[in-house]
Amino acid sequence: GDSVTQMEGPVTLSEEACLTINCTYTATGYPSLFWYVQYPGEGLQLLLKATKADDKGSNKGFEATYRKETTSFHLEKGSVQVSDSAVYFCALSDRDNNNDMRFGAGTRLTVKP
Amino acid sequence: ETGVTQTPRHLVMGMTNKKSLKCEQHLGHNAMYWYKQSAKKPLELMFVYNFKEQTENNSVPSRFSPECPNSSHLFLHLHTLQPEDSALYLCASSLASGPSYNEQFFGPGTRLTVL
Repeated sequence: GDSVTQMEGPVTLSEEACLTINCTYTATGYPSLFWYVQYPGEGLQLLLKATKADDKGSNKGFEATYRKETTSFHLEKGSVQVSDSAVYFCALSDRDNNNDMRFGAGTRLTVKP
Repeated sequence: ETGVTQTPRHLVMGMTNKKSLKCEQHLGHNAMYWYKQSAKKPLELMFVYNFKEQTENNSVPSRFSPECPNSSHLFLHLHTLQPEDSALYLCASSLASGPSYNEQFFGPGTRLTVL
């Protein structure tokens, strides 16, 4: 079945450092890919998405490119801020699976001043 | 109130108690979802309701019983839970579920502790 694997955390960075959180997926069809963010005490919020191969999703300085050849959707940001501290979830939605969302286990990011 | 709200935010219950979680969405959506978020595990989809009809039950034990009286409200009735059921329970809503993807909007969750 469909699944998502993302790098385990926690990840601790200093402010203005570069961020990469790896995400790879397994899917039977042609899924859409997402990154969600969960700030402390809140629910998940959609950060960015890509619906087909080679699409790049971007939002708030974060980017991720849908790579079909490597089945990956790594999250990147060039310069993180303290306010980016949160848990990040990679997810996929597959039309062949009724578009049910499949989430990775989450990666906790802490950015220190 | 806007978005998706959940009450209570925190709940502690014994294994013999009966309690209910409530979710309400003010977005005009037609699909609602219950997820279970446990530490160090992926989010688990529990139930899906589409236009008040249950369209998915992901092999959830019968001690969890959902109810969707209308498109804006979703309940999760709990009885004779086990300590391993302790988790964050998240509600979400979207325009609809099915072949056409619609973004899901999440509530803040109910932190459940079963003693």
